[in-house]
Amino acid sequence: RKEVEQDPGPFNVPEGATVAFNCTYSNSASQSFFWYRQDCRKEPKLLMSVYSSGNEDGRFTAQLNRASQYISLLIRDSKLSDSATYLCVVRGDKLIFGTGTRLQVFP
Amino acid sequence: SQTIHQWPATLVQPVGSPLSLECTVEGTSNPNLYWYRQAAGRGLQLLFYSVGIGQISSEVPQNLSASRPQDRQFILSSKKLLLSDSGFYLCAWSVRRTNYGYTFGSGTRLTVV
Repeated sequence: RKEVEQDPGPFNVPEGATVAFNCTYSNSASQSFFWYRQDCRKEPKLLMSVYSSGNEDGRFTAQLNRASQYISLLIRDSKLSDSATYLCVVRGDKLIFGTGTRLQVFP
Repeated sequence: SQTIHQWPATLVQPVGSPLSLECTVEGTSNPNLYWYRQAAGRGLQLLFYSVGIGQISSEVPQNLSASRPQDRQFILSSKKLLLSDSGFYLCAWSVRRTNYGYTFGSGTRLTVV
């Protein structure tokens, strides 16, 4: 079983849509959680940390369920510029990256 | 503010040639440093990490090696490249002993021909 699993997508959604990504992780001792965004042929960039209580940053909402060992990312009112690959990341003694979920927002 | 520099941005090398990729971090001390590789259409694979000068941990057996000659310098090397070494190489740093995420350099796209 992979340490971090994500649906690779692609998710093709129209502008203005709401889209949600899920991710599961295998190590129950994981300490912290993140979502990264990676544009084509670019380096990954931190989008947001994920807290147990859930957290929001503008149109983005992240949730963590420790009991079920899954993490989610919700994007509301999708923009063309949201098109990218979203990486679920889990930290134990080091960061473990999922393979990413590709999002394509179309006009 | 902290910055991370990685070079070169792209590299085309013949099979059997040596490799040296360099990464430097500015604006911080005692960072944890990492080398990742991302093959085309694949996820990020941790190759090496370092918690201090001269301290290197290898995650995957391969023909690559890493060195940390100075606190904020991390070098990825190979004596003889293989076709399978092609990929996107990313250096990253993090603050030691925290739960923060990593910050990546802009990466080196290596093509072995």
